[in-house]
Amino acid sequence: GENVEQHPSTLSVQEGDSAVIKCTYSDSASNYFPWYKQELGKRPQLIIDIRSNVGEKKDQRIAVTLNKTAKHFSLHITETQPEDSAVYFCAAQYPGNKLTFGGGTRVLVKP
Amino acid sequence: NAGVTQTPKFQVLKTGQSMTLQCAQDMNHNSMYWYRQDPGMGLRLIYYSASEGTTDKGEVPNGYNVSRLNKREFSLRLESAAPSQTSVYFCASSEGWNQPQHFGDGTRLSIL
Repeated sequence: GENVEQHPSTLSVQEGDSAVIKCTYSDSASNYFPWYKQELGKRPQLIIDIRSNVGEKKDQRIAVTLNKTAKHFSLHITETQPEDSAVYFCAAQYPGNKLTFGGGTRVLVKP
Repeated sequence: NAGVTQTPKFQVLKTGQSMTLQCAQDMNHNSMYWYRQDPGMGLRLIYYSASEGTTDKGEVPNGYNVSRLNKREFSLRLESAAPSQTSVYFCASSEGWNQPQHFGDGTRLSIL
Protein backbone atom coordinates (compact mmCIF):
# COMPACT_ATOMS: atom_id res chain seq x y z
CA GLY A 1 0.00 0.00 0.00
CA GLU A 2 0.81 3.67 -0.10
CA ASN A 3 3.01 5.28 2.57
CA VAL A 4 3.21 9.06 3.07
CA GLU A 5 5.94 10.75 5.09
CA GLN A 6 5.49 14.40 6.10
CA HIS A 7 8.14 16.85 7.37
CA PRO A 8 8.61 18.76 9.52
CA SER A 9 6.29 17.71 12.32
CA THR A 10 6.32 21.25 13.73
CA LEU A 11 7.13 24.55 12.06
CA SER A 12 7.37 27.97 13.66
CA VAL A 13 7.57 31.03 11.41
CA GLN A 14 7.44 34.77 11.85
CA GLU A 15 4.36 36.51 10.51
CA GLY A 16 4.99 37.54 6.93
CA ASP A 17 7.57 34.83 6.26
CA SER A 18 6.99 31.77 4.08
CA ALA A 19 6.28 28.24 5.28
CA VAL A 20 7.10 25.05 3.37
CA ILE A 21 5.90 21.54 4.22
CA LYS A 22 7.20 18.52 2.32
CA CYS A 23 5.71 15.09 1.77
CA THR A 24 7.05 11.98 0.09
CA TYR A 25 4.98 9.06 -1.15
CA SER A 26 5.92 5.50 -1.97
CA ASP A 27 3.66 4.37 -4.82
CA SER A 28 4.44 5.80 -8.24
CA ALA A 29 0.85 5.07 -9.31
CA SER A 30 -0.51 7.75 -6.94
CA ASN A 31 -2.17 10.49 -8.94
CA TYR A 32 -4.13 12.61 -6.47
CA PHE A 33 -2.54 14.76 -3.74
CA PRO A 34 -4.76 16.90 -1.48
CA TRP A 35 -3.75 19.14 1.42
CA TYR A 36 -5.95 19.66 4.48
CA LYS A 37 -5.85 22.32 7.19
CA GLN A 38 -7.17 21.48 10.63
CA GLU A 39 -7.60 24.15 13.27
CA LEU A 40 -7.73 23.10 16.91
CA GLY A 41 -10.93 21.21 17.65
CA LYS A 42 -12.22 21.59 14.10
CA ARG A 43 -12.68 19.34 11.11
CA PRO A 44 -10.03 18.93 8.39
CA GLN A 45 -10.71 21.30 5.50
CA LEU A 46 -9.39 20.86 1.99
CA ILE A 47 -7.26 23.87 1.06
CA ILE A 48 -5.70 22.78 -2.22
CA ASP A 49 -5.16 19.64 -4.26
CA ILE A 50 -3.12 18.62 -7.28
CA ARG A 51 -3.26 15.76 -9.75
CA SER A 52 -0.29 14.02 -11.32
CA ASN A 53 -0.75 15.64 -14.71
CA VAL A 54 0.07 19.06 -13.20
CA GLY A 55 3.39 20.20 -11.73
CA GLU A 56 2.23 23.23 -9.78
CA LYS A 57 -1.01 24.82 -8.62
CA LYS A 58 -1.59 28.13 -6.88
CA ASP A 59 -4.49 29.66 -4.97
CA GLN A 60 -3.75 33.12 -3.59
CA ARG A 61 -1.08 32.68 -0.87
CA ILE A 62 -0.84 28.91 -1.09
CA ALA A 63 0.76 26.74 -3.74
CA VAL A 64 1.52 23.08 -4.17
CA THR A 65 4.32 21.61 -6.28
CA LEU A 66 4.65 17.99 -7.38
CA ASN A 67 7.79 16.14 -8.46
CA LYS A 68 6.65 12.77 -9.82
CA THR A 69 10.16 11.53 -10.52
CA ALA A 70 11.27 12.06 -6.94
CA LYS A 71 7.82 11.15 -5.57
CA HIS A 72 7.45 14.21 -3.41
CA PHE A 73 5.11 17.17 -3.18
CA SER A 74 5.22 20.35 -1.14
CA LEU A 75 2.88 23.00 0.25
CA HIS A 76 4.08 26.60 0.17
CA ILE A 77 2.38 29.35 2.18
CA THR A 78 3.60 32.88 1.48
CA GLU A 79 3.12 35.99 3.62
CA THR A 80 1.97 33.92 6.57
CA GLN A 81 -0.65 35.33 8.91
CA PRO A 82 -1.68 34.30 12.46
CA GLU A 83 -4.80 32.62 11.05
CA ASP A 84 -2.53 30.22 9.13
CA SER A 85 -1.64 28.60 12.48
CA ALA A 86 -3.05 25.07 12.33
CA VAL A 87 -2.12 21.46 11.63
CA TYR A 88 -1.64 20.68 7.94
CA PHE A 89 -2.00 17.18 6.49
CA CYS A 90 -0.87 15.98 3.10
CA ALA A 91 -2.33 12.87 1.49
CA ALA A 92 -1.85 10.68 -1.55
CA GLN A 93 -4.12 8.32 -3.42
CA TYR A 94 -3.82 6.00 -6.40
CA PRO A 95 -6.76 4.73 -8.42
CA GLY A 96 -8.67 2.00 -6.62
CA ASN A 97 -6.97 2.64 -3.28
CA LYS A 98 -7.82 4.64 -0.19
CA LEU A 99 -6.50 8.11 0.60
CA THR A 100 -3.36 7.83 2.77
CA PHE A 101 -2.55 10.74 5.09
CA GLY A 102 0.78 12.00 6.31
CA GLY A 103 1.35 12.46 10.03
CA GLY A 104 0.68 16.21 10.01
CA THR A 105 2.67 19.42 10.51
CA ARG A 106 1.81 21.82 13.30
CA VAL A 107 2.40 25.36 12.00
CA LEU A 108 2.70 28.26 14.42
CA VAL A 109 2.80 31.78 13.01
CA LYS A 110 4.29 34.19 15.53
CA PRO A 111 3.08 37.81 15.35
CA ASN B 1 -26.54 23.28 2.27
CA ALA B 2 -25.18 21.65 5.43
CA GLY B 3 -22.52 19.42 3.80
CA VAL B 4 -21.66 16.49 6.09
CA THR B 5 -23.58 16.29 9.37
CA GLN B 6 -22.53 14.04 12.24
CA THR B 7 -24.45 13.19 15.39
CA PRO B 8 -23.84 13.20 18.26
CA LYS B 9 -21.06 15.77 18.71
CA PHE B 10 -19.99 14.36 22.08
CA GLN B 11 -20.59 11.05 23.82
CA VAL B 12 -19.32 9.30 26.93
CA LEU B 13 -19.74 5.54 27.16
CA LYS B 14 -18.87 2.85 29.64
CA THR B 15 -16.77 -0.11 28.59
CA GLY B 16 -18.97 -2.73 26.97
CA GLN B 17 -21.75 -0.38 25.92
CA SER B 18 -22.76 -0.09 22.30
CA MET B 19 -23.66 2.92 20.22
CA THR B 20 -24.12 4.11 16.66
CA LEU B 21 -22.58 7.25 15.19
CA GLN B 22 -24.69 8.84 12.49
CA CYS B 23 -23.51 10.62 9.35
CA ALA B 24 -25.50 12.22 6.57
CA GLN B 25 -24.45 14.24 3.52
CA ASP B 26 -26.57 16.43 1.29
CA MET B 27 -24.12 16.82 -1.62
CA ASN B 28 -25.36 13.78 -3.55
CA HIS B 29 -21.94 12.17 -3.10
CA ASN B 30 -21.40 8.54 -4.00
CA SER B 31 -18.55 7.70 -1.61
CA MET B 32 -18.50 7.98 2.18
CA TYR B 33 -15.86 7.27 4.81
CA TRP B 34 -15.31 6.89 8.54
CA TYR B 35 -11.98 7.95 10.09
CA ARG B 36 -10.66 8.11 13.61
CA GLN B 37 -8.16 10.68 14.84
CA ASP B 38 -6.27 10.09 18.05
CA PRO B 39 -4.62 13.00 19.92
CA GLY B 40 -1.71 14.50 17.99
CA MET B 41 -2.07 12.00 15.19
CA GLY B 42 -3.30 11.81 11.65
CA LEU B 43 -6.45 10.27 10.26
CA ARG B 44 -6.89 6.53 10.00
CA LEU B 45 -9.58 4.99 7.82
CA ILE B 46 -11.94 2.63 9.62
CA TYR B 47 -14.45 1.73 6.89
CA TYR B 48 -15.59 3.20 3.62
CA SER B 49 -18.40 2.91 1.13
CA ALA B 50 -17.29 3.55 -2.43
CA SER B 51 -20.90 3.62 -3.61
CA GLU B 52 -24.38 2.95 -2.29
CA GLY B 53 -24.76 -0.73 -1.46
CA THR B 54 -21.06 -1.42 -0.86
CA THR B 55 -18.85 -1.22 2.22
CA ASP B 56 -15.21 -2.19 2.75
CA LYS B 57 -12.68 -2.32 5.57
CA GLY B 58 -10.04 0.34 5.95
CA GLU B 59 -6.88 0.32 8.06
CA VAL B 60 -8.44 -0.15 11.51
CA PRO B 61 -11.82 -1.93 11.21
CA ASN B 62 -11.66 -4.18 14.28
CA GLY B 63 -14.40 -3.44 16.81
CA TYR B 64 -16.56 -1.51 14.33
CA ASN B 65 -19.36 -2.17 11.86
CA VAL B 66 -20.93 0.11 9.29
CA SER B 67 -24.16 0.44 7.36
CA ARG B 68 -24.70 2.43 4.19
CA LEU B 69 -28.39 3.03 4.80
CA ASN B 70 -28.95 4.91 1.54
CA LYS B 71 -26.97 7.31 -0.64
CA ARG B 72 -27.09 10.05 2.03
CA GLU B 73 -26.42 8.12 5.24
CA PHE B 74 -23.50 6.06 6.50
CA SER B 75 -23.49 4.92 10.13
CA LEU B 76 -20.70 3.52 12.31
CA ARG B 77 -21.49 1.11 15.15
CA LEU B 78 -19.41 0.15 18.15
CA GLU B 79 -20.81 -3.16 19.38
CA SER B 80 -18.88 -3.38 22.67
CA ALA B 81 -16.96 -0.19 23.37
CA ALA B 82 -13.40 -0.39 24.71
CA PRO B 83 -11.19 2.40 26.16
CA SER B 84 -8.88 2.06 23.13
CA GLN B 85 -11.75 3.37 21.00
CA THR B 86 -11.66 6.74 22.74
CA SER B 87 -11.05 9.09 19.84
CA VAL B 88 -12.51 11.74 17.57
CA TYR B 89 -14.48 10.18 14.74
CA PHE B 90 -14.85 11.97 11.43
CA CYS B 91 -17.20 11.11 8.62
CA ALA B 92 -16.35 12.30 5.11
CA SER B 93 -17.87 12.09 1.66
CA SER B 94 -16.71 12.58 -1.91
CA GLU B 95 -18.35 12.73 -5.31
CA GLY B 96 -16.50 9.60 -6.29
CA TRP B 97 -13.38 7.63 -5.65
CA ASN B 98 -10.21 9.70 -6.11
CA GLN B 99 -12.19 12.94 -5.60
CA PRO B 100 -11.90 15.62 -2.86
CA GLN B 101 -13.24 14.46 0.49
CA HIS B 102 -15.36 16.77 2.64
CA PHE B 103 -15.42 16.19 6.37
CA GLY B 104 -18.06 16.55 9.05
CA ASP B 105 -17.41 18.30 12.37
CA GLY B 106 -16.60 15.06 14.18
CA THR B 107 -17.87 13.10 17.17
CA ARG B 108 -15.75 13.22 20.32
CA LEU B 109 -16.14 9.83 21.97
CA SER B 110 -14.81 8.93 25.41
CA ILE B 111 -15.01 5.39 26.76
CA LEU B 112 -14.47 4.92 30.46
